[in-house]
Amino acid sequence: GENVEQHPSTLSVQEGDSAVIKCTYSDSASNYFPWYKQELGKGPQLIIDIRSNVGEKKDQRIAVTLNKTAKHFSLHITETQPEDSAVYFCAASIRGADGLTFGKGTHLIIQP
Amino acid sequence: DTEVTQTPKHLVMGMTNKKSLKCEQHMGHRAMYWYKQKAKKPPELMFVYSYEKLSINESVPSRFSPECPNSSLLNLHLHALQPEDSALYLCASSQVASGETQYFGPGTRLLVL
Repeated sequence: GENVEQHPSTLSVQEGDSAVIKCTYSDSASNYFPWYKQELGKGPQLIIDIRSNVGEKKDQRIAVTLNKTAKHFSLHITETQPEDSAVYFCAASIRGADGLTFGKGTHLIIQP
Repeated sequence: DTEVTQTPKHLVMGMTNKKSLKCEQHMGHRAMYWYKQKAKKPPELMFVYSYEKLSINESVPSRFSPECPNSSLLNLHLHALQPEDSALYLCASSQVASGETQYFGPGTRLLVL
């Protein structure tokens, strides 16, 4: 089955700086890669996703890049703000309507 | 509207109890999911329903019994649980046609005593 590795497990950045979280996946058949943000006591919230026919996608301060050859994808958050503090999960899916395989998560801490 | 609702928010049960978790969505999605999340861990897939039929069961013990009464509702029936089953149970849904984008509910936090 699919295996998703995520790094780092904890990331602390100064407010206003950029944060980058990286994930690798094992199954070349995976074609969908979402990123979720989970705040304490809440369910995961989709923040951005990318499909395998696209190399990069941006939504305001958030961007995701995908390298299919290397089988890795990354989340970039610019101009970080205190409300960006949360746990971020990457995930991969081989086929639509199947379940997602998640990375272990990154605890992002924004230092004021 | 991308809302998935779950009830109850919290549940405490003994090992001999029978309880049910409920999930509802009104987005017209035809795929619904149950995930289990332990503290400081990622969600783990338990079940997938597609067009009200169980399509994936990730080797979950029979003390967890899913049910999809209609396209908007998903239940998880619990019986004779163990303390190690204590976790956050998350429901999600997606359109089957495009498939991939899953929207999660807030979860039910379950404590088994």
